[in-house]
Amino acid sequence: GAVVSQHPSRVICKSGTSVKIECRSLDFQATTMFWYRQFPKQSLMLMATSNEGSKATYEQGVEKDKFLINHASLTLSTLTVTSAHPEDSSFYICSASGTPDNSPLHFGNGTRLTVT
Amino acid sequence: QQQVKQSPQSLIVQKGGISIINCAYENTAFDYFPWYQQFPGKGPALLIAIRPDVSEKKEGRFTISFNKSAKQFSLHIMDSQPGDSATYFCAARKGRGNAGNMLTFGGGTRLMVKP
Repeated sequence: GAVVSQHPSRVICKSGTSVKIECRSLDFQATTMFWYRQFPKQSLMLMATSNEGSKATYEQGVEKDKFLINHASLTLSTLTVTSAHPEDSSFYICSASGTPDNSPLHFGNGTRLTVT
Repeated sequence: QQQVKQSPQSLIVQKGGISIINCAYENTAFDYFPWYQQFPGKGPALLIAIRPDVSEKKEGRFTISFNKSAKQFSLHIMDSQPGDSATYFCAARKGRGNAGNMLTFGGGTRLMVKP
């Protein structure tokens, strides 16, 4: 089945630094990738949608200058949390879809970000 | 506005029992309804999915029942096992095209199967 790889699985950083999270589709070309944020014991909250070669579409309330998304190729999207603060600590999950129609979304294993 | 409502929030079932999780949606444009299983510290994994032209779909111990007129669908886990203990999310997808692959998630159900 389709595999989405997310890296790193865990990262601890200091306040003010930036962190990059990678999301790769391993056996298919992902025209669209989605980035989610999940707080403990809560559902997934969509942050942004990225299409290869174009600017990401951010959900209301998500700061695009804070969460930089790059989808430079059909197999890689990156989320950079800039100038991280403790309130950015969360579980970030990406998902990818290979075809426009009828394909289930596959998720990465998530990245646990802790900002100290 | 919560477009997909999921219940219960938590569920405890004895081993061998049936776990039932329900979801209701509002938007009739939704055309694909997947269920995801998530273990702590992991991403959601697709479990089973159904389209609205089918009333039931079964895969092993997992069955989705779909009621289009009531805009409800449910997940049944037969012969529940301790290894099924996880958080389950229902979801709904609207339309076609890449933007249409965006999912709207329910709030999740934490299932615990007691041995």
